[in-house]
Amino acid sequence: DTAVSQTPKYLVTQMGNDKSIKCEQNLGHDTMYWYKQDSKKFLKIMFSYNNKELIINETVPNRFSPKSPDKAHLNLHINSLELGDSAVYFCASSQGLAGEVMVETQYFGPGTRLLVL
Amino acid sequence: GQNIDQPTEMTATEGAIVQINCTYQTSGFNGLFWYQQHAGEAPTFLSYNVLDGLEEKGRFSSFLSRSKGYSYLLLKELQMKDSASYLCAVMDSNYQLIWGAGTKLIIKP
Repeated sequence: DTAVSQTPKYLVTQMGNDKSIKCEQNLGHDTMYWYKQDSKKFLKIMFSYNNKELIINETVPNRFSPKSPDKAHLNLHINSLELGDSAVYFCASSQGLAGEVMVETQYFGPGTRLLVL
Repeated sequence: GQNIDQPTEMTATEGAIVQINCTYQTSGFNGLFWYQQHAGEAPTFLSYNVLDGLEEKGRFSSFLSRSKGYSYLLLKELQMKDSASYLCAVMDSNYQLIWGAGTKLIIKP
């Protein structure tokens, strides 16, 4: 019954490694997002994505890449992990399509706590 | 630049009323959201305002003044379970959510 799910919940890894975080939503939503919440608790949008458009926050390093096998999944792949990547990563989804004149509530997954050593 | 300001932390007593303020400066405005986030959990939706005025939903109410770039979340009859962070977020002209850092609300018996 979980609406937005993420795996893993915790991820501890070494600097320089490549890792992926998976996200799935069973709400039938068209748009999915990835957020980073740092130690100061700011939520920063990284990507928003639907089957038509990928919107990338220009401040996100290109080591981060979203991969969407289908509408219900948006995975986050991170190359060459750095210490500063340690944070909580939240996946979210909303019903509307990016770019449409529509405001939709976003529903969040439980978060993935990434610690880079 | 875009900016959302909220107090970092507030303390209130069980059974009392607390008002959490949020001021914003964004490029465009397509509504303001309030989310609740318990420690170690995901944010959950509380309210959405796009027109000026007060929206009431049970013990929680949210107010918006677009001309002042100001909103508040009012929590009545506080319960211990209301201890959480409350995040203010504004949807800008690109329909992107700009988030405040959140207000940590501590409820004391």
